[in-house]
Amino acid sequence: KQEVTQIPAALSVPEGENLVLNCSFTDSAIYNLQWFRQDPGKGLTSLLLIQSSQREQTSGRLNASLDKSSGRSTLYIAASQPGDSATYLCAVRRAEKLVFGKGTKLTVNP
Amino acid sequence: DTAVSQTPKYLVTQMGNDKSIKCEQNLGHDTMYWYKQDSKKFLKIMFSYNNKELIINETVPNRFSPKSPDKAHLNLHINSLELGDSAVYFCASSLQTAYQETQYFGPGTRLLVL
Repeated sequence: KQEVTQIPAALSVPEGENLVLNCSFTDSAIYNLQWFRQDPGKGLTSLLLIQSSQREQTSGRLNASLDKSSGRSTLYIAASQPGDSATYLCAVRRAEKLVFGKGTKLTVNP
Repeated sequence: DTAVSQTPKYLVTQMGNDKSIKCEQNLGHDTMYWYKQDSKKFLKIMFSYNNKELIINETVPNRFSPKSPDKAHLNLHINSLELGDSAVYFCASSLQTAYQETQYFGPGTRLLVL
């Protein structure tokens, strides 16, 4: 059974800092890994999708890496801004299913 | 021009009632999903439909019955609502292409059972 763990559960940083969010999964037989952002009272927004054959994906200030063999992914956020405050969810896809972690709640203080 | 829409956004109801949540996507996707996010914010898949056919049913009670009248719609009907059904329900859709596609989520329906 696939389990996804995200560490830390919550993170508070001052504006401008670079930060790393961690995601680990127990079964390396995945099709892809996806990072989402969830704002309070809103749905999920897909940030980055990394296929199982890829090592990383970049979008603006975001960089996500994938090490399938060790069951790990990181989301790197450069020069954080207050607008980055949200919960970040990691999800791995195996066949039709997306299995989610519980998320990391990020607060960026101005 | 919303991609994945859900109605209603909020739903407050009494225990024992029957209610429905509607979901529509205008992305031309052929796979749709229902997820439940509980009070601990844990998001878990409930159902998945591909071309109107059920492909995932994650041990959800029979009181929950999804209905897909066409590829663009996946509605969720819940009978005899219980307190534990209180949660946020998210609809999502994707292109079923070798499982490589991003899932797009709706804004969620916040259900409170009293």
